[in-house]
Amino acid sequence: GENVEQHPSTLSVQEGDSAVIKCTYSDSASNYFPWYKQELGKRPQLIIDIRSNVGEKKDQRIAVTLNKTAKHFSLHITETQPEDSAVYFCAASEGGSYIPTFGRGTSLIVHP
Amino acid sequence: DAGITQSPRHKVTETGTPVTLRCHQTENHRYMYWYRQDPGHGLRLIHYSYGVKDTDKGEVSDGYSVSRSKTEDFLLTLESATSSQTSVYFCAISGQGDTQYFGPGTRLTVL
Repeated sequence: GENVEQHPSTLSVQEGDSAVIKCTYSDSASNYFPWYKQELGKRPQLIIDIRSNVGEKKDQRIAVTLNKTAKHFSLHITETQPEDSAVYFCAASEGGSYIPTFGRGTSLIVHP
Repeated sequence: DAGITQSPRHKVTETGTPVTLRCHQTENHRYMYWYRQDPGHGLRLIHYSYGVKDTDKGEVSDGYSVSRSKTEDFLLTLESATSSQTSVYFCAISGQGDTQYFGPGTRLTVL
């Protein structure tokens, strides 16, 4: 089955810096890669996703890149703000399988 | 937020008692899931459903059962709760089987 590794487990940055979270996956058939943000005490919410026919996707200050050959994808947050502080989860799934595999999460702390 | 609710939102129970958690959706999505979230373990899949009366096990299904008699409701039952089942439980729904939308969660404490 699919295995998703996420690093780092904790990331501490200063406000205004960039943050990068990386995930690797094992199943070359995976073709959908979402990222979820979970604020303290809240539910995980989708912030951005990418499919395997695209190498990069941006939405304002966040972007996701995908390297299918190396089987890794990354979340990039620029100009971080304190409200970006949260746990971020990556996931990978194969189209039609409807069972995503989640990484263990990264706790991002943005210091004012 | 997608139309998904969970009840109860908080519950404290004693070891050995049965517990049922309810997930209700108004999106008419085909797929429904139950996860548990514990520190250091992320989101772990308990059971999922791909249609009415169609369910299957996830990676941590021992001690849990589910039922889905209607599209909108997915029930998670702990037949005899144990302290190891103290956790936050999230329900999720998906229309196409890829993007998931999560419910607000249920915090369960088993004493």
